[in-house]
Amino acid sequence: AQSVTQLGSHVSVSEGALVLLRCNYSSSVPPYLFWYVQYPNQGLQLLLKYTSAATLVKGINGFEAEFKKSETSFHLTKPSAHMSDAAEYFCAVSDLGGYNKLIFGAGTRLAVHP
Amino acid sequence: KAGVTQTPRYLIKTRGQQVTLSCSPISGHRSVSWYQQTPGQGLQFLFEYFSETQRNKGNFPGRFSGRQFSNSRSEMNVSTLELGDSALYLCASSLKDGSPLHFGNGTRLTVT
Repeated sequence: AQSVTQLGSHVSVSEGALVLLRCNYSSSVPPYLFWYVQYPNQGLQLLLKYTSAATLVKGINGFEAEFKKSETSFHLTKPSAHMSDAAEYFCAVSDLGGYNKLIFGAGTRLAVHP
Repeated sequence: KAGVTQTPRYLIKTRGQQVTLSCSPISGHRSVSWYQQTPGQGLQFLFEYFSETQRNKGNFPGRFSGRQFSNSRSEMNVSTLELGDSALYLCASSLKDGSPLHFGNGTRLTVT
C-alpha cells in the first residue's frame, strides 16, 4: 500500500529563514504528488502539484518542491519565511486506484518566529 | 467562481443519532470526494462520487454513506453516531481526473 511520511510534526523557523518541510512517499510508479496548506478553521489549499512534467515544481506564495525519484522524496522549500506562512502543511500522493483518492501524510505544523 | 461550499460549518450530535452533511462543488466539477480529519488518524479518504456514481471508497464502516445528485451536489450520511466520529469532514471537488482537488472549509462534527 502507498504511504506518505512527513518528517517532523513541528518545524520552527525565524522570519526570513529557509523553510524546509520533508516528505517521502512509497510508490512503485511515479505518482501524482501534492503539497497542501491548512490554516486554522479552514480547508486545504493546494500549494503545488507534481505530474512528471518537471522535477522542480513551483507553487503559490513562493513555495517550491523537488521530486527526487531515487530518494522517493518531495520536499517543500521556501527561501524566506513570512509570518503568514505559519500553518499546517500536508504532503499527499494520489492512490494507484484513483486520482482523487489522496493519501496524506500526518502533517507538519510550521511556526514562524519574528 | 464560487468555491466548494459545505454546510453546516458546525454540528453537535448525540451518540446514536444520524447526521447528513452537504457539499456543493465548484460549478462544472463532476467529481466530489469526502475526507475525515481527526487529530489521531489525520486525513483519511472516505469516498468519491463522479456523475452520481460512487467511484472509490475508503476503509470506513457501512455507517458512512454518501450520494451525489445530478447537479453534482453531494451529501454524506453517518448513522448510529459514535464518539469517535467527531471530526472535521472535508469535501473536495475536481474538474477531471488528475486535476487538483479543491477543498471546502469543512463541517466540524462533535458527537457527545
